[in-house]
Amino acid sequence: SAVISQKPSRDICQRGTSLTIQCQVDSQVTMMFWYRQQPGQSLTLIATANQGSEATYESGFVIDKFPISRPNLTFSTLTVSNLSPEDSSIYLCSVVFGQARSEQYFGPGTRLTVT
Amino acid sequence: QKEVEQDPGPLSVPEGAIVSLNCTYSNSAFQYFMWYRQYSRKGPELLMYTYSSGNKEDGRFTAQVDKSSKYISLFIRDSQPSDSATYLCAMKAAGGTSYGKLTFGQGTILTVHP
Repeated sequence: SAVISQKPSRDICQRGTSLTIQCQVDSQVTMMFWYRQQPGQSLTLIATANQGSEATYESGFVIDKFPISRPNLTFSTLTVSNLSPEDSSIYLCSVVFGQARSEQYFGPGTRLTVT
Repeated sequence: QKEVEQDPGPLSVPEGAIVSLNCTYSNSAFQYFMWYRQYSRKGPELLMYTYSSGNKEDGRFTAQVDKSSKYISLFIRDSQPSDSATYLCAMKAAGGTSYGKLTFGQGTILTVHP
């Protein structure tokens, strides 16, 4: 089975700074997504990372705060900008290998703490 | 009202018990249904994936979907302490603007004690 990795696995950042999270898959995927899991909560979709074009953001999430890149079929980055304590969450990338209706798999997550 | 409702528990059962986890949903466009298991400080692991109504069995796990009632279930037979985790139901539509997007339940915390 394919391996989905995320870097960093965790970080502690100061208020006002930014953190860029990388997601790497060892085989080509058709779709990549970024989710947020706030403490004690379930997962919420931030955006769909589109290869070679701007990401598609869900309601409540904007590009200035969560810029996303996806330069190829196996790699994507999520930046969380101008950090505040409310951004302390787990950020997870998720991928689909076939058609959009296919199974969806998650990376191990990046645990962000903002002080 | 949330699109997907899941009893957060916590649920505590003795080893060997049959566990029943459930979700209800309101969006009739949902066609694909998944159950994930999430251990503490780990990413969600896909357990079961089903399409439309019916049952699917995989080892000790059985997933049921009843689209007429908008109700899905996951049964765990002969539960083990290693099954202790948070179980998340998730679902997605077949197309439209939500293509590929998963909507999750709140997750049920399960503890299986020896």
